[in-house]
Amino acid sequence: DAKTTQPPSMDCAEGRAANLPCNHSTISGNEYVYWYRQIHSQGPQYIIHGLKNNETNEMASLIITEDRKSSTLILPHATLRDTAVYYCIVRPESPRGGKLIFGQGTELSVKP
Amino acid sequence: EPEVTQTPSHQVTQMGQEVILRCVPISNHLYFYWYRQILGQKVEFLVSFYNNEISEKSEIFDDQFSVERPDGSNFTLKIRSTKLEDSAMYFCASRETTHTQYFGPGTRLTVL
Repeated sequence: DAKTTQPPSMDCAEGRAANLPCNHSTISGNEYVYWYRQIHSQGPQYIIHGLKNNETNEMASLIITEDRKSSTLILPHATLRDTAVYYCIVRPESPRGGKLIFGQGTELSVKP
Repeated sequence: EPEVTQTPSHQVTQMGQEVILRCVPISNHLYFYWYRQILGQKVEFLVSFYNNEISEKSEIFDDQFSVERPDGSNFTLKIRSTKLEDSAMYFCASRETTHTQYFGPGTRLTVL
């Protein structure tokens, strides 16, 4: 079962920052936080991941609280094309396995 | 940018028939995965594959399913005798020794 909790849906105005929260209060010390998104029925798209430090790439920023029990994905300037289901996933770094367990995610609607 | 590809994009078959779904993972990747997503439901892990053997499989991955890496580039999922409930999107994913999985666009399987 997924070990994360996300709001089922959120709206964001185009051009504004989208802040997507995730609760992972039972996260273990060796587990990373991953974010993926899925647009319609396309394959999940990797966005970003982190262990305990905040991370930023060309797509988004990931803010992880100091106690690692929650995190926020930030899309700094949301566009209509960012409308998708966003998944927050925690998983350990396993050299052989590494399955991803998807929850229901947050359905983000970016509106003009 | 290298990407995972999958063929066909849509497969229609009759119940009881065998189907083979094909994936070409990213070329230097060593770990391979299949996931499925029934319409309106969450993405579910099926199987992971490394070093020419299954590393982990879910309860869904029963004797009707098999995976193979027949050559240096392809990774296949075979369903021996399809059922109506096998209708879903099937996603292939791959990763190298680092841990981020990259997904293909999916194959929509429709069982009539």
